[in-house]
Amino acid sequence: SQQGEEDPQALSIQEGENATMNCSYKTSINNLQWYRQNSGRGLVHLILIRSNEREKHSGRLRVTLDTSKKSSSLLITASRAADTASYFCATDLNSGTYKYIFGTGTRLKVLA
Amino acid sequence: SQTIHQWPATLVQPVGSPLSLECTVEGTSNPNLYWYRQAAGRGLQLLFYSVGIGQISSEVPQNLSASRPQDRQFILSSKKLLLSDSGFYLCAWSEQGAYGYTFGSGTRLTVV
Repeated sequence: SQQGEEDPQALSIQEGENATMNCSYKTSINNLQWYRQNSGRGLVHLILIRSNEREKHSGRLRVTLDTSKKSSSLLITASRAADTASYFCATDLNSGTYKYIFGTGTRLKVLA
Repeated sequence: SQTIHQWPATLVQPVGSPLSLECTVEGTSNPNLYWYRQAAGRGLQLLFYSVGIGQISSEVPQNLSASRPQDRQFILSSKKLLLSDSGFYLCAWSEQGAYGYTFGSGTRLTVV
């Protein structure tokens, strides 16, 4: 079964609006990462947040982590058409093997 | 700088034929290497990972196998493809002891 589950499965917004995606996971983690995948392409690493961090920023991206609720959110501010992609969270299994389990993804569509 | 190469980009193979997908990494040594499969519109499923030459861990029992004949080369194989082997195959690497993957561009495999 999937370690991470993103919510919503699909999101459609207007350019300039903010987009929020959520990720829930099941077991304890060392860190959580967010990736972006453009259609038919490989995944691109966006941001990593460690289990002892609560919030992290990178450009227009803001990630929060709530280990008590086993959840994370990715906020993209002032979205652009180029942000249209699928977004995945990935969690390690705190097993020291550097294996990451990916969620099912959120498909974001930003309308110009 | 480090780069990852994955080929071919697309492949159409008949049922029962063999498969060999190759992934190579440049600019680093002793990387962790991974093979993931992504079904259409779905998340990523970890198939194999390797922490060193000849060291392969299989995550899911299946019709596929992996080998690491050289430090920076990771090969995904099958002796006889099944229709269910169709999907998008992604190779990824990470540094030993570090977090975050760098993905290849993927291979779209269609078994007919």
